[in-house]
Amino acid sequence: QKEVEQDPGPLSVPEGAIVSLNCTYSNSAFQYFMWYRQYSRKGPELLMYTYSSGNKEDGRFTAQVDKSSKYISLFIRDSQPSDSATYLCAMINPTEGGKLIFGQGTELSVKP
Amino acid sequence: GAVVSQHPSRVICKSGTSVKIECRSLDFQATTMFWYRQFPKQSLMLMATSNEGSKATYEQGVEKDKFLINHASLTLSTLTVTSAHPEDSSFYICSAVPFRGIYEQYFGPGTRLTVT
Repeated sequence: QKEVEQDPGPLSVPEGAIVSLNCTYSNSAFQYFMWYRQYSRKGPELLMYTYSSGNKEDGRFTAQVDKSSKYISLFIRDSQPSDSATYLCAMINPTEGGKLIFGQGTELSVKP
Repeated sequence: GAVVSQHPSRVICKSGTSVKIECRSLDFQATTMFWYRQFPKQSLMLMATSNEGSKATYEQGVEKDKFLINHASLTLSTLTVTSAHPEDSSFYICSAVPFRGIYEQYFGPGTRLTVT
């Protein structure tokens, strides 16, 4: 079993839809949770960074962490075609020197 | 802020030659840099962790004699692929952690290596 599970999609939604992206994890030592967006042939871009259970909002993006269920989510409101990309969740166990453990990535397509 | 650059963005080389890829943090000092490779439609695979002034730590299965990493300063790390072969063709991405004692990693734009 992988430490971090993420549905690879692809996920296709119409413009304006609310998008929900999810990851589950098995290692309770993970304490830091990130969401990255990666456009084709580009490096990942850090979208959200959280370290506690609960919600964190930044513009159209909301990151949600539930440590008791080992489940994290990223919500995108009013999705735009420019949001079409691969979204990667990533986690850090602080005792592992800051190494990111990535999910497989979910490919999102927002249709105009 | 938190900009990481890579050079070159794309390189084609002949089998048996060596290729050097540079990773620079442009507006911050990085205590740690990481090197990843990524195959099409797959997630990033960590190759090694690089700390300034010390030897890199390689992940299991990564040949340290083939992938030479030098972290010469707090803003520069290099990855040299020695005696490259076609199976080394991939997208190589670096990331850097700012010297703030937190875990945000900022990624470079990646280098696409093609070995013919």
